[in-house]
Amino acid sequence: AQSVTQPDIHITVSEGASLELRCNYSYGATPYLFWYVQSPGQGLQLLLKYFSGDTLVQGIKGFEAEFKRSQSSFNLRKPSVHWSDAAEYFCAVGARLTGGGNKLTFGTGTQLKVEL
Amino acid sequence: KAGVTQTPRYLIKTRGQQVTLSCSPISGHRSVSWYQQTPGQGLQFLFEYFSETQRNKGNFPGRFSGRQFSNSRSEMNVSTLELGDSALYLCASSTSKETQYFGPGTRLLVL
Repeated sequence: AQSVTQPDIHITVSEGASLELRCNYSYGATPYLFWYVQSPGQGLQLLLKYFSGDTLVQGIKGFEAEFKRSQSSFNLRKPSVHWSDAAEYFCAVGARLTGGGNKLTFGTGTQLKVEL
Repeated sequence: KAGVTQTPRYLIKTRGQQVTLSCSPISGHRSVSWYQQTPGQGLQFLFEYFSETQRNKGNFPGRFSGRQFSNSRSEMNVSTLELGDSALYLCASSTSKETQYFGPGTRLLVL
């Protein structure tokens, strides 16, 4: 069965500093990988996704992530954090199901705090 | 295009009652998935519907059920509510591709 580990529960960075959120996955085949962001009381917004091809993917709001198969990782990065980036970030792996369709397995999330 | 919408946004129920939540997917999306989010268990997959059929199901008791209509709108129902059912219920829609787009969720509080 697939699984996702986000080792950092909380991260605090200063505004303008760089950010890296870690994500490790376990999946038997080529994974579909996603990063979502959730603001308090809101749903999940898709930041970026990896299906295949270029291992460095660009997303919205200046985020990027790099897929490293050898390390089973899909870390999220941003060169300069803005105060509005404070939120909870979820990494997810998508598994194709035998009946068709797919389901997402999420990590436990990383809560990002931005200090002004 | 309008995003995924969920109604109601907030609900308060008492133990033993039942509840129905509604989800309208993005226009053209035929797959609707439901997830439960709680502080203790995180985000967990409930089930997925495609073309009015439940295609996949997570590991939840039979009190949790759903359906999908011909216009792809979906409802989920929870019967005999328990305190532990208090959660944010998220609906996501997708096309035949794998990317799921989420709605704002329905926050259910069971007293």
